[in-house]
Amino acid sequence: QVHLVESGGGVVQPGRSLRLSCAASGFTFSTYAMHWVRQAPGKGLEWVAVISFDGNHKHYSDSVRGRFTISRDSSNNTLYLQMNTLRPEDTAVYFCARANWVVSYAFDIWGQGTMVTVSS
Amino acid sequence: DIVMTQTPLSLSVTPGQPASISCKSSQSLLNSDGKTNLYWYVQKPGQSPQLLISEVSYRFSGVPDRFSGSGSGTDFTLKISRVEAEDVGVYYCMQSAQLPYSFGQGTKLEIK
Repeated sequence: QVHLVESGGGVVQPGRSLRLSCAASGFTFSTYAMHWVRQAPGKGLEWVAVISFDGNHKHYSDSVRGRFTISRDSSNNTLYLQMNTLRPEDTAVYFCARANWVVSYAFDIWGQGTMVTVSS
Repeated sequence: DIVMTQTPLSLSVTPGQPASISCKSSQSLLNSDGKTNLYWYVQKPGQSPQLLISEVSYRFSGVPDRFSGSGSGTDFTLKISRVEAEDVGVYYCMQSAQLPYSFGQGTKLEIK
């Protein structure tokens, strides 16, 4: 069964760092582009970042560029989001999602999300 | 950046009645390959988002045929022909025609 499981969330002070992980199972992780999407409490969805299937191409939203880094380890079937210089406005549930070429790169599989709270 | 605007932001529908959600993009979502990168997702209460429709009108596997998508260029619509209680949730359109990808604000569907 295809699964994505996020971990690494928690409470962190402004200016500190946190690394999120997304463990993939049930599919050939190394052949799919992967995304991070976040949702602030009570708000809508915000796209955060994408990494190509081979890790060679990465893109970020304006709100996180220069502070967050997306990466992947296909030997461990894991996607990462390194978040530095965190701000209170980064408080959100962070979802990882698979982009599937079969459905025109739609996000067909989502994890359950991991909560990040940035607060002093 | 492409801005996605959904209307209405909330909808209350009697079971068995139709529902319609509009999504407008600030730029055309038609790509040079002839595809239009517009998707619809629903987030049911307490759940992660799930894919409903890809490329404007293609229902994802397992999505009931009461859901349909249409539109072109900058104007898109999600229709539910007969709303059921299980359709409660927040519906989002999303574009991937241009980075950064962007979602609409979401439309909350409630049952009367």
